[in-house]
Amino acid sequence: DIVMTQTPLSLSVTPGQPASISCKSSQSLLHSDGDTYLYWYLQRPGQPPQLLIYEVSNRFSGVPDRFSGSGSGTDFTLKISRVEAEDVGLYYCMQSIQLPPTFGQGTKVEIK
Amino acid sequence: QVQLVESGGDVVQPGRSLRLACAAAGFTFSDYGMHWVRQAPGKGLEWVAVISTDGTKKNHVDSVKGRFTISRDNSENTLYLHMDRLRADDTAVYYCARGLRHFDLWGQGTLVTVSS
Repeated sequence: DIVMTQTPLSLSVTPGQPASISCKSSQSLLHSDGDTYLYWYLQRPGQPPQLLIYEVSNRFSGVPDRFSGSGSGTDFTLKISRVEAEDVGLYYCMQSIQLPPTFGQGTKVEIK
Repeated sequence: QVQLVESGGDVVQPGRSLRLACAAAGFTFSDYGMHWVRQAPGKGLEWVAVISTDGTKKNHVDSVKGRFTISRDNSENTLYLHMDRLRADDTAVYYCARGLRHFDLWGQGTLVTVSS
């Protein structure tokens, strides 16, 4: 199985300041079809996860443009340009280039 | 309204069986692959199973193979997870999720507690 490793595991951010989460995979997520199957999800407290970013850098419908994703191969980053109170929760990266899809351990973002 | 609603979670003894259901509404259910993903208390997300649009292709995580079976009824817009020989480490919130390579719609989850 592909192992997804996130850092840091927790982040305390002042509102309006940026935040960045790293995700590294144990194998390349670049498929022969040219797509890279790396996704980011946010799970707010008491809620199910919701899709933020698909295929590395594409914001899902309704996701604010302060969220951005980047990276390639095995190294990926989620950035929040200016953290807001509603951004609190657990952030997960996920790969689906091969079964089983696997998630990172989660990064807890809280507001200072 | 586009939504997924899970049901069937319960407290069960080890070794018993349970069937979870996920009712889909507001979209053409038969157009989408569907998944189950679980989350043990205080833990991260673990993918459990996937089923193709027509139900002919299925895959399960190794830890549940031979015990859990994913299925679907497109005429009823419902996804199922049949769970046999439940163990304490199956205790989790079980989410159904829509999609193939990624999950763009999730249900609220249903809690399964395996305890004697």
